[in-house]
Amino acid sequence: GQNIDQPTEMTATEGAIVQINCTYQTSGFNGLFWYQQHAGEAPTFLSYNVLDGLEEKGRFSSFLSRSKGYSYLLLKELQMKDSASYLCAVSLTGGFKTIFGAGTRLFVKA
Amino acid sequence: GAVVSQHPSRVICKSGTSVKIECRSLDFQATTMFWYRQFPKQSLMLMATSNEGSKATYEQGVEKDKFLINHASLTLSTLTVTSAHPEDSSFYICSASGTSPGEQFFGPGTRLTVL
Repeated sequence: GQNIDQPTEMTATEGAIVQINCTYQTSGFNGLFWYQQHAGEAPTFLSYNVLDGLEEKGRFSSFLSRSKGYSYLLLKELQMKDSASYLCAVSLTGGFKTIFGAGTRLFVKA
Repeated sequence: GAVVSQHPSRVICKSGTSVKIECRSLDFQATTMFWYRQFPKQSLMLMATSNEGSKATYEQGVEKDKFLINHASLTLSTLTVTSAHPEDSSFYICSASGTSPGEQFFGPGTRLTVL
């Protein structure tokens, strides 16, 4: 079966750093996505990791360890607008199918 | 960048009626489109994979006779919710595949409310 786990909720303070973890067990793996989703809106793309290691893009970084089935999204210099759900998603082999984790709701407080 | 549109953005209908949702790739051709459903505070659940010119592939537990999918062209896929019931009320999101494996471009979503 396919399984993607991430924490349900996290709270952090404006200006701080937060790390959102994701573990996965899937039959096949092409790469791992992180999406941001505000309430009532569609997901927006943040990152895509195929190889092990850290990829940095502005305030957001994403890490992948394929051998451990583990990824994290790191958000620096948190802003109030970063309050949203963050979805971890795995692209499966054999096609374009992607499965999503349940999402982590991040609350940024002043 | 690639843009995907959905229409309508919101729809309210009476129980028992059918609702059609359109998903269009505006500036690129998508051989594959995906339909997701998202209930409040839950993640996206893949309903079906739609390939242009062929029958859609439905995920386990999704009724193909209730959720009719048509992918008649490389830029348009439609989802018809037949005989809608209140439990079908949800946020329906489509996405279109890009050229790289796993690459997807999401539409803005359609909020369906069945009274």
